Amino acid sequence: SQTIHQWPATLVQPVGSPLSLECTVEGTSNPNLYWYRQAAGRGLQLLFYSVGIGQISSEVPQNLSASRPQDRQFILSSKKLLLSDSGFYLCARGNRANTEAFFGQGTRLTVV
Amino acid sequence: TQLLEQSPQFLSIQEGENLTVYCNSSSVFSSLQWYRQEPGEGPVLLVTVVTGGEVKKLKRLTFQFGDARKDSSLHITAAQPGDTGLYLCAVKAGGTSYGKLTFGQGTILTVHP
Repeated sequence: SQTIHQWPATLVQPVGSPLSLECTVEGTSNPNLYWYRQAAGRGLQLLFYSVGIGQISSEVPQNLSASRPQDRQFILSSKKLLLSDSGFYLCARGNRANTEAFFGQGTRLTVV
Repeated sequence: TQLLEQSPQFLSIQEGENLTVYCNSSSVFSSLQWYRQEPGEGPVLLVTVVTGGEVKKLKRLTFQFGDARKDSSLHITAAQPGDTGLYLCAVKAGGTSYGKLTFGQGTILTVHP
């Protein structure tokens, strides 16, 4: 089976602190990977997607960055968090055709 | 402007009632997906529809893809409290082989016992 691990589940960070959220995928090679952010239980905003190691596409100019150091590892980072970075962050894997997404459990980030 | 418009945004009903939620766009898609998300968890894929006019059933849930492949509906028969959640539609946008998965804003459904 293909599993997506995402951690931590919850995180409270002060404004101006750095951020690192990690996502790893099991059971598949060369997956298409996504980072989404969700505010207040609404739609998902696509932040980054990656089709391979070192290949990152950014969808929204912002305070965040992403990296893919290994085939099955996708990292979301920030050097200095803003209050507006609070939200529910979801890592997802696309199927081969990129027509379906399979999600991790998410990380609830609160910036205080 | 949102690529996908979902309606209604909120729906609160009693157990046993029927309901329909909609996902509309002015664009044509090769496929469309529906997901359900419970609080604090990631969305879970329910179904993918690919053919214009296609109808798929998943127990009490009926999904339909519009004939022109621009819209879709989700109908729930005899709703139960376990159906409560956020329902999202999604499409692959961008027109490339690694097109981006884009989601609507969702419909928040609450089914009261």
